[in-house]
Amino acid sequence: AQSVTQPDIHITVSEGASLELRCNYSYGATPYLFWYVQSPGQGLQLLLKYFSGDTLVQGIKGFEAEFKRSQSSFNLRKPSVHWSDAAEYFCAVVFNNAGNMLTFGGGTRLMVKP
Amino acid sequence: DTGVSQDPRHKITKRGQNVTFRCDPISEHNRLYWYRQTLGQGPEFLTYFQNEAQLEKSRLLSDRFSAERPKGSFSTLEIQRTEQGDSAMYLCASSLGTGSGSYNEQFFGPGTRLTVL
Repeated sequence: AQSVTQPDIHITVSEGASLELRCNYSYGATPYLFWYVQSPGQGLQLLLKYFSGDTLVQGIKGFEAEFKRSQSSFNLRKPSVHWSDAAEYFCAVVFNNAGNMLTFGGGTRLMVKP
Repeated sequence: DTGVSQDPRHKITKRGQNVTFRCDPISEHNRLYWYRQTLGQGPEFLTYFQNEAQLEKSRLLSDRFSAERPKGSFSTLEIQRTEQGDSAMYLCASSLGTGSGSYNEQFFGPGTRLTVL
């Protein structure tokens, strides 16, 4: 079955430390891949996306993600976390045989320690 | 404000009542999506319109749920005979579709939080 998994429900990092949020998908081909951020009371905001080409993609707010076909993964990274990065992060996928619907992972809640 | 807007932002209702939510997409966007997000979960797709045509419906959309987009602009999502399990955040998104097989970014509204007592 097609699915998206974010193995870490909560992550706490210190301000200034590096961050990696994990995302794995289950699908026989390469889907379209996305990371969204959701802050309390705010809508979902797109951080970055991967459709094809260079497997390392840059996004907004200093985030990047790397697509690894062999691992069916699309992990989100940031070299130095700021307190304002505390939020919920969602990995999302468009499976190419499923129209335009986004399939989301369960989310990872990021907390940042001062 | 040129983003996606949703109304109301919050709705509290009693079990068995009907509720209706409205979504106004970005003005030039021809595609409109509804998702539902329960507490601690990621959003789940409900349905999708291209202009006024409802092209996809999730099996999550029971017969108590109906969505319309009569003039290809704003959309409404109605839930009849609400149940406590309907309590969730209902998210709307829109995008500019440029052709079959293409994918364009979906822009999300702030959501309508429904609480069924």
